[in-house]
Amino acid sequence: NAGVTQTPKFQVLKTGQSMTLQCAQDMNHEYMSWYRQDPGMGLRLIHYSVGAGITDQGEVPNGYNVSRSTTEDFPLRLLSAAPSQTSVYFCASSRQEINEQFFGPGTRLTVL
Amino acid sequence: KQEVTQIPAALSVPEGENLVLNCSFTDSAIYNLQWFRQDPGKGLTSLLLIQSSQREQTSGRLNASLDKSSGRSTLYIAASQPGDSATYLCAVFTGTASKLTFGTGTRLQVTL
Repeated sequence: NAGVTQTPKFQVLKTGQSMTLQCAQDMNHEYMSWYRQDPGMGLRLIHYSVGAGITDQGEVPNGYNVSRSTTEDFPLRLLSAAPSQTSVYFCASSRQEINEQFFGPGTRLTVL
Repeated sequence: KQEVTQIPAALSVPEGENLVLNCSFTDSAIYNLQWFRQDPGKGLTSLLLIQSSQREQTSGRLNASLDKSSGRSTLYIAASQPGDSATYLCAVFTGTASKLTFGTGTRLQVTL
């Protein structure tokens, strides 16, 4: 099992550009989520999904879109990148919401 | 709103020492508490998961306890090693918010 994989590892964008951060898991987990990690602020939930076709907003959803067309994949879209979105992004998955969460290696995003 | 606090923010100990990391949370209506390890520039590695009905969990040299009524958890590391140097994060899953709420971590350095 590869676990939770994320691509790319690093990305630099210019303000206003859009991009998609990819997340995939091969553990047949129903629950997937996206977090951002910023110095001094800990990890904050952006969006989450309890199963294919179902998504919901977390604590800091503005500027981000998600969709969940398959159990395996949960991409995060930045619609129009802003410098405030410079952060490290982590994807996580678990069998159900309340089970052990497994995290991917992260994507380090810089918006100029 | 759930808030998670970890004290101390940083800790340096000599190799071989036993140590305790603390985590406190404000809302006791949690489903579980999870301890993670994060190495610099890396993702989060799950160490231990304690369900709300449990009092403790053990894995090797690690022992985590949970006192839900007082909103506290401790992570005990026995016979610390330089390889234990990392940031340790605790997170609680609160059902009403359907998400993990993270503390800002304790940065541990184990010296030779």
